[in-house]
Amino acid sequence: QVQLQESGPGLVKPSETLSLTCTVSDGSISDSSYHWDWIRQPPGKGLEWIGSVYYLGGSLYNPSLKSRVTISIDTSKNQFSLKLASVTAADTALYYCARLSRAYEYWGQGTLVTVSS
Amino acid sequence: DIQMTQSPSSVSASVGDRVTITCRASHSINDWVAWYQQKPGKAPKLLIYGASSLQSGVPSRFSGSGSGTEFTLSISRLQPEDFATYYCQQTSSFPLAFGGGTKVEI
Repeated sequence: QVQLQESGPGLVKPSETLSLTCTVSDGSISDSSYHWDWIRQPPGKGLEWIGSVYYLGGSLYNPSLKSRVTISIDTSKNQFSLKLASVTAADTALYYCARLSRAYEYWGQGTLVTVSS
Repeated sequence: DIQMTQSPSSVSASVGDRVTITCRASHSINDWVAWYQQKPGKAPKLLIYGASSLQSGVPSRFSGSGSGTEFTLSISRLQPEDFATYYCQQTSSFPLAFGGGTKVEI
């Protein structure tokens, strides 16, 4: 079955850019049936949709984060990536990648990113 | 944008109880609702999609209903492993949105 794995630094300084990658295995990221998404969860809080990318490269973002977010896809590596610029402590969260069809059937395990100097 | 209002935010229940969680969408989303279960330190797990379709491998004591703007997740005969936080999500249109979550606790 499809597996997703997040990777990237666990600590980012304020005002810098958070960068994460999600590697997809046992499934093609070029499958036209799916979008590939990022979701985050601040400690002790609920889930927040960050954005979505399609294999052709089109992306959609949460309006609350749109000015700072870029989600891209690399079909040759079967990966997609998240960049969040100008981070603050409010961006400290568990970041998940997931595959979207009618819902998120497959999720990564999540990676904790802490914003601190 | 479509907002999802979930209630209650928490519920106390006992093993064997029936629990019902409600989600209301700010606009009609037909049946584009999913429900997830999340346990501490774990990624959410898909329970229901399309408002009422049970995800493969999910026990039949979980059921979903509703369409348009009102949706419910029901858990009949609560089991010890069901104590967790539950989220609804609309997948009708971007930006996608989750409800605020319902913690089911003893």
